[in-house]
Amino acid sequence: NAGVTQTPKFQVLKTGQSMTLQCAQDMNHEYMSWYRQDPGMGLRLIHYSVGAGITDQGEVPNGYNVSRSTTEDFPLRLLSAAPSQTSVYFCASSYDSSTQPQHFGDGTRLSIL
Amino acid sequence: QQQVKQSPQSLIVQKGGISIINCAYENTAFDYFPWYQQFPGKGPALLIAIRPDVSEKKEGRFTISFNKSAKQFSLHIMDSQPGDSATYFCAASSGGYNKLIFGAGTRLAVHP
Repeated sequence: NAGVTQTPKFQVLKTGQSMTLQCAQDMNHEYMSWYRQDPGMGLRLIHYSVGAGITDQGEVPNGYNVSRSTTEDFPLRLLSAAPSQTSVYFCASSYDSSTQPQHFGDGTRLSIL
Repeated sequence: QQQVKQSPQSLIVQKGGISIINCAYENTAFDYFPWYQQFPGKGPALLIAIRPDVSEKKEGRFTISFNKSAKQFSLHIMDSQPGDSATYFCAASSGGYNKLIFGAGTRLAVHP
């Protein structure tokens, strides 16, 4: 098992560019989520999914889009990148939302100029 | 407004000492309180967690103390080692293990 795999590990974008951060898990987990980590603020939930075809907003969803067409993949899209979206992004997954804690990937460090 | 407040921001402890990190919360609906450990360049990893029906949970050198009436919980690392040097996050959630609300983090350095 590879666990939770995030790609790319690093990315630099210009303001206004679009990008998709990839997240894949091979553990047959139903629950997947995206967090952003900023200095002094901990991690904040962006979007989450309780299964294929089902997504919902978290604490800071504005500027981000998600879809869940398969159980394995949960991509995060930035449609028009802004400097305020410079952050480290973590994807996490768990078997479900109520019986097991989440496993986190190693993150994507995103800089927007 | 931060729902989970964590202190201190940074902590330096000598090898063999006790590291103590504190968290406070406001939402009485929270029913799951985990601590995560994060090394540079890695994602957070679950260290230990507690539910509000117990006041203390111990796993090896790591202990969570929970005070429901004060809405506070803390992480104690006994016999701290240089390998414990990392950033620690407290978190809370209600109704499940996910949709976590994190504290701001504490950077722990254990000096040999």
